[in-house]
Amino acid sequence: HVQLQQSGPGLVKPSQTLSLTCAISGDSVSSNSGVWNWIRQSPSRGLEWLGRTYYRSQWYHDYAVSVKSRIAINPDTSKNQFSLQLKYVSPEDTAVYFCARDLIGAAHFDYWGQGTLVTVSS
Amino acid sequence: QSALTQPPSVSGSPGQSVTISCTGTSSDVGGYNRVSWYQQPPGTAPKLIIYEVNNRPSGVPDRFSGSKSGNTASLTISGLQAEDEADYYCSSYTSSSPVFGGGTKLTVL
Repeated sequence: HVQLQQSGPGLVKPSQTLSLTCAISGDSVSSNSGVWNWIRQSPSRGLEWLGRTYYRSQWYHDYAVSVKSRIAINPDTSKNQFSLQLKYVSPEDTAVYFCARDLIGAAHFDYWGQGTLVTVSS
Repeated sequence: QSALTQPPSVSGSPGQSVTISCTGTSSDVGGYNRVSWYQQPPGTAPKLIIYEVNNRPSGVPDRFSGSKSGNTASLTISGLQAEDEADYYCSSYTSSSPVFGGGTKLTVL
């Protein structure tokens, strides 16, 4: 049974970097089938896919065009987790952030983290 | 604005059936058999209930079914129960990035 456990601060100041971690149990961030995603949800934007990382003999990363210039999603194989960093945040980045697994890269997300409300405010 | 269009709300009485539509384009819903549906009660993470148009993960009741015609996918919930009251979202694979619908609030009267 796969579980995703999120951690990270719930308050970030404008222009700073949002950092969240998603710890995986019951699967491996290095598996040759899993795709590891970050998705956020806000009243104004609804559900918005942010990006993903996955391993297929080498590491791959894909990012949404809307955040591509300021996002990084990185695996940590030693801790079996992956992280989200979103730079230069503004109040528009206030949202609930979820990590999620897509089993085969078909854009169906079968396991989700519990969600983290991140508020961008001074 | 979300890439996929869903009705903001639907409602039904216990025991009835409701259908939620999800309209996209030939670049997403119409182009791939990779539409999924999620159920999200308030304050929780979305839960996958349908994948690849009409497949149910283990443990999801067969009251939930999916279909697709052209650029529109549909989720049907039959035999409505009070516990089905939640927000429902569709999602589709695309060649670039997954896209979501704006969500539909299901009210069980």
